[in-house]
Amino acid sequence: GDSVTQMEGPVTLSEEAFLTINCTYTATGYPSLFWYVQYPGEGLQLLLKATKADDKGSNKGFEATYRKETTSFHLEKGSVQVSDSAVYFCALSDNTGGFKTIFGAGTRLFVKA
Amino acid sequence: EAGVAQSPRYKIIEKRQSVAFWCNPISGHATLYWYQQILGQGPKLLIQFQNNGVVDDSQLPKDRFSAERLKGVDSTLKIQPAKLEDSAVYLCASSLDRAQPQHFGDGTRLSIL
Repeated sequence: GDSVTQMEGPVTLSEEAFLTINCTYTATGYPSLFWYVQYPGEGLQLLLKATKADDKGSNKGFEATYRKETTSFHLEKGSVQVSDSAVYFCALSDNTGGFKTIFGAGTRLFVKA
Repeated sequence: EAGVAQSPRYKIIEKRQSVAFWCNPISGHATLYWYQQILGQGPKLLIQFQNNGVVDDSQLPKDRFSAERLKGVDSTLKIQPAKLEDSAVYLCASSLDRAQPQHFGDGTRLSIL
């Protein structure tokens, strides 16, 4: 079945450092891909999405490109802030009728001042 | 717009007791989801409603879990009887329709003693 694999955390960075969180997926069709973020004590929020190959999703300085050839959707940010400390979830949604969403295990990011 | 509302925020019960969670989705959202998020894992879909009909309940432990969405708006998720392994955060989400991004509530943290 479909699945999502994320790099394990926690990831600890200093403020203004470059961030990459790796995400790869397995899917039988052509899914939509998402990054969700969960700040402490809050529910998940959609960060960005991409619906087809080579699409780039972006929001709040974060970017991710849908790479069909490597089945990847890595999250990047050029300069992280303390306020970016959260858990980041990569997810896919099959577009074949059920639109079932499958989440990765999450990657916790700590940003130090 | 008002977000997805869930209650209670926290619940502590003993094993073999019963518990119920409530969710009020964003107004006009046809699709409603219940997820179970065990500590350190990504959310796992338990059940998905389209209006008041069930679209997917393949991962719902039907011997102990039940859910309903009367009138296609509010929803309740019930566990009876609870087991220790049910300790988790239960997330409710809604979307305009199945192909649209999901909006999450803050979740109910359930602890089983």
